[in-house]
Amino acid sequence: EIVMTQSPATLSVSPGESATLSCRASQSVSSNLAWYQQKPGQAPRLLLYGASSRATGIPARFSGSGSGTEFTLTISSLQSEDFAVYYCQQYNDWPPITFGQGTRLEIK
Amino acid sequence: QLQLQESGPGLVKPSETLSLTCTVSAGSFRSSTYYWGWIRQPPGKGLEWIGNIHYTGSTHYNPSLKSRVTISVDTSQNQFSLRLTSVTAADTAAYYCARLSSYGRQYYFDFWGQGTLVTVSS
Repeated sequence: EIVMTQSPATLSVSPGESATLSCRASQSVSSNLAWYQQKPGQAPRLLLYGASSRATGIPARFSGSGSGTEFTLTISSLQSEDFAVYYCQQYNDWPPITFGQGTRLEIK
Repeated sequence: QLQLQESGPGLVKPSETLSLTCTVSAGSFRSSTYYWGWIRQPPGKGLEWIGNIHYTGSTHYNPSLKSRVTISVDTSQNQFSLRLTSVTAADTAAYYCARLSSYGRQYYFDFWGQGTLVTVSS
C-alpha cells in the first residue's frame, strides 16, 4: 500500500498571501495524484488531477506541481473561502486508493 | 449536473450490518469511463477509500475492509449499494458515495454525494 504523508498538519496564512502544501508518497506515483478541498460539513471537492490539471471550475490561483514522490499544492492570493482542509490522493497503484491525512489551512 | 445521494440508517448496532444506497441522477451511470465508489471519514479524521464498482459489476475493495465489504449495483435504478458486516464503533463515520473517473487512466473522484453519518452504537 502506498502511504501518502502531508505536511504541515496545519498551516496558518493571512488572506492575500500564498500557501504551499506538501504531499509525499512512500513510493513513486508518477503524476497520478489528485488534490481535494473539504470545508466543514461538506463533501470533498476535486481541485486537481494528474498532479497539475485543474478540475472544471477551479480558479487559476490553485496550482499543482511535482511527480514521483514529492508534490505541492500552491494557492496564491488566498481568499476567505480557501481556508479549509486539503487532501492528496494517489491512484498510481491501486487498490487501495489512498489519501493523505490532510492539511488544515487556517487564517492567520 | 450529476447528483449523488446517499440513503440508509444513521444508527447501526455493534456486530450488525451497515447498509447504504447511493442514487445517481443524470446519464453517466452506464458509461464505461466511470466507476462508483464509497469513501468514509470518521469524525475529525481523514478520508478512507472503501471500494468501487463499475456498472458491469466489476468491483475493487480496500484490502483492509475486503472481508467485510460488499458493493453491488442496480443499473435499472441507477443505484449502487454498500454492505459492511460485523460493524464496531470504529466504523462510525460519514460515508460518501462518489463518481470515480477513469478517463485517460486518471482515477479521481469528480462528483461526491453530501455524505451520511452512520453511528455504530447499542
